[in-house]
Amino acid sequence: EDKVVQSPLSLVVHEGDTVTLNCSYEVTNFRSLLWYKQEKKAPTFLFMLTSSGIEKKSGRLSSILDKKELFSILNITATQTGDSAVYLCAVEAGGGADGLTFGKGTHLIIQP
Amino acid sequence: DAGITQSPRHKVTETGTPVTLRCHQTENHRYMYWYRQDPGHGLRLIHYSYGVKDTDKGEVSDGYSVSRSKTEDFLLTLESATSSQTSVYFCAISELSVNEQFFGPGTRLTVL
Repeated sequence: EDKVVQSPLSLVVHEGDTVTLNCSYEVTNFRSLLWYKQEKKAPTFLFMLTSSGIEKKSGRLSSILDKKELFSILNITATQTGDSAVYLCAVEAGGGADGLTFGKGTHLIIQP
Repeated sequence: DAGITQSPRHKVTETGTPVTLRCHQTENHRYMYWYRQDPGHGLRLIHYSYGVKDTDKGEVSDGYSVSRSKTEDFLLTLESATSSQTSVYFCAISELSVNEQFFGPGTRLTVL
């Protein structure tokens, strides 16, 4: 059974701090790993990673994948209150369009 | 935002009644997915479609059926709703099998 584990489950930091969110996985026939941000609505896409060691960046957010150790991290620098959300990690695996296996998410709260 | 709509957005129904949720896309994407999101479980795949009339089961398909008669529409049916199917249901689409998925706004279903 495919498994995706995120840590920590919740995190409270102050505005301006840097945070690192973790995602480890055990899946058969890995294809890609995706990060989403979810506020009180639908998840919105952040990054997709398919190759090991390549960093994806968008502004203050960045992510890297380690296919050997089977994990990914999502970094957020200079956090803002608008970064408060649940961050979801998902893995696509299998032989076809089998959908995504999601972790339970990290609930990030940024205090002013 | 990707052109995905879901209807209805909210529904309250009674145990034993049939319920159909609709997902409509204007992106002409081949792949469509239904997920449910519950506290403590995260997002879980119910069914997915890889083309018109081509569907398959996901992780939590028991009690659900789907149909896709047109590229743009993917229907999720609960033949006889149960309280355990109270959840938020998200539809997602993707252009390719290994590609980011974009989510619809969600349907909050309550089964009394």
